[in-house]
Order: sequence, then C-alpha cells, then structure tokens
Amino acid sequence: NAGVTQTPKFQVLKTGQSMTLQCAQDMNHEYMSWYRQDPGMGLRLIHYSVGAGITDQGEVPNGYNVSRSTTEDFPLRLLSAAPSQTSVYFCASSQTVRYGYTFGSGTRLTVV
Amino acid sequence: GESVGLHLPTLSVQEGDNSIINCAYSNSASDYFIWYKQESGKGPQFIIDIRSNMDKRQGQRVTVLLNKTVKHLSLQIAATQPGDSAVYFCAENAGGTSYGKLTFGQGTILTVHP
Repeated sequence: NAGVTQTPKFQVLKTGQSMTLQCAQDMNHEYMSWYRQDPGMGLRLIHYSVGAGITDQGEVPNGYNVSRSTTEDFPLRLLSAAPSQTSVYFCASSQTVRYGYTFGSGTRLTVV
Repeated sequence: GESVGLHLPTLSVQEGDNSIINCAYSNSASDYFIWYKQESGKGPQFIIDIRSNMDKRQGQRVTVLLNKTVKHLSLQIAATQPGDSAVYFCAENAGGTSYGKLTFGQGTILTVHP
C-alpha cells in the first residue's frame, strides 16, 4: 500500500513548455484533488474529482487541465508553462472528503 | 468569496506549554472542518476534524473547538513538544454541490523551543 504517489518530485520547465504531473493512489479512493502551494501560503485548489470520469474546477484552474479515466490516476496537465506556475503541487485522495484527504509528498515545479 | 483565514501567522511556545492556533472562516455553509499539520518538505497530514453539529472534539493531546456564532475554529495542543513544530492549516468543506472541495486557510507556523 503506497498511498498517494506523485511523480516527478522535482521539475524545471521553460516558459511555454507543457508537461503532465502524475498522481496515483492505491487505496481505491473516489475523491482526488490537486492543490498548489506557493511559498508562505496555504494550499489552493486547482481541480478535483469525485469519481472516474467526473472532474470540476477549484479556485485556480486556469492554465491546467485534468482528466480521470480510472479511479487510481489523476494527472494534472500544464498546457503552456508560465513563471507564475512555479509552485509546489500536491495531489490528495480520500474515500470521502469527510474523513480528510491523504496527501502525496508533492512535486516542486520551477518555470524559468 | 469563500475563504478560510487565520488570525496569527506565527506562534512560538516553550516545550511543555499548551498551544492554541486560531482560524476564522467566512463560508456559513461550511459544515465540516479539518486541521492539518505540515512539516517542512512534506504534504499536509490530517490531525483532527469536527462537524458543525459539534462544539468540541478531543484527540490525543489535541482539541478542536468550533464556534459557529462567530465562525471561529481553534486547535489546542497540550504539552507541546519540539516535534509539534510545523505549519498548521485549517480547512473547510461546505457539502452539497461543493462536497468534493476542501478549502484551506493561510496557515500558522508553530515553533516549539526546548
């Protein structure tokens, strides 16, 4: 049981490049979310999913796409990276939100 | 808009003291609240939760208090230890059409001095 696995742990992109941050969970959780955390800040919700095939936007969705084709995976796509997207990205999953989310260890992304 | 915020960004205490971390929320529809602990370089970890039909909930060395009248949460840590040093976040969930959304506050940095 690995919990929530995020890859890569570190990434440097050039402005305009695209990439996908991977997130996988092996707990059969229905709920999954992506957050970004800027230095000295709280976590802001980018996108979330309440089950396979169902996604919705959070507070800061612009510049990001998601899809949920399986229960296990919830990739986050950066369409055209910008320096403002430099941040630490956390993926989280939960059987039900009311039991709290389990977080991955994060992906530290730098856009130059 | 909906937001969850904290009164104090930093808190320094001596080992063995009790710590109190505060959180204000603005969404009156929120009916579920969670406290998370985040250590440096790690993802947030669940500490304790409380539902809006409760005023108080206790865990191991931690107590969460909820005052719905003034939309205020607090996390009390008893006999604070150096291992409690971390950033603490409150988070809220409004249920209904927002059931999948967990909104976080800014965070409080707790430093425990030996």
